Amino acid sequence: GAVVSQHPSWVICKSGTSVKIECRSLDFQATTMFWYRQFPKQSLMLMATSNEGSKATYEQGVEKDKFLINHASLTLSTLTVTSAHPEDSSFYICSASYRLAGLYEQYFGPGTRLTVT
Amino acid sequence: QKEVEQNSGPLSVPEGAIASLNCTYSDRGSQSFFWYRQYSGKSPELIMFIYSNGDKEDGRFTAQLNKASQYVSLLIRDSQPSDSATYLCAVNTGGGNKLTFGTGTQLKVEL
Repeated sequence: GAVVSQHPSWVICKSGTSVKIECRSLDFQATTMFWYRQFPKQSLMLMATSNEGSKATYEQGVEKDKFLINHASLTLSTLTVTSAHPEDSSFYICSASYRLAGLYEQYFGPGTRLTVT
Repeated sequence: QKEVEQNSGPLSVPEGAIASLNCTYSDRGSQSFFWYRQYSGKSPELIMFIYSNGDKEDGRFTAQLNKASQYVSLLIRDSQPSDSATYLCAVNTGGGNKLTFGTGTQLKVEL
């Protein structure tokens, strides 16, 4: 399968600071990248959809000014959590999608565990 | 009604048995269907996908799709303790590349 990397794998930051998470598709060009958040023992929650060269589309209830997404190339998307607060502590997972034989396949990165103190 | 529904479980099966995981979806226009496995504390891993009615086999895994009943399932033969995880059903709707996920079924394979 296709490989997606995320960096960092975990990060601890102080309340009020910003954190940037990188998502890379290593062996394919991703038409779209997605950002999810998952709280303990809960299901995946889609935050936003990101297409290369265009503005991200945010899901209802997700603050676009707080979660800044940049998708500068077909292999790289970044999520910046601005002015992070303890309630932003979560497992952030990106995925990358590409089209093969008319179908879109989506592969996940390993995730970034964010802890805000 | 949720768009993609799964029984949260836990589903417990003995080692060596067949585990059957089920998923229903509401959008009749859905075109492709995915099963992901997620271990605790890890990100989801794609197991297999299916888009035609019938069965699709890959090793110990078989996906089954019935579009008329809006039902997709995953069978795991010869279940192993290492199969213990949460299994997520995901459905591609609207013809785009966005997936709608179920809440997952927790599978426990017991020795």
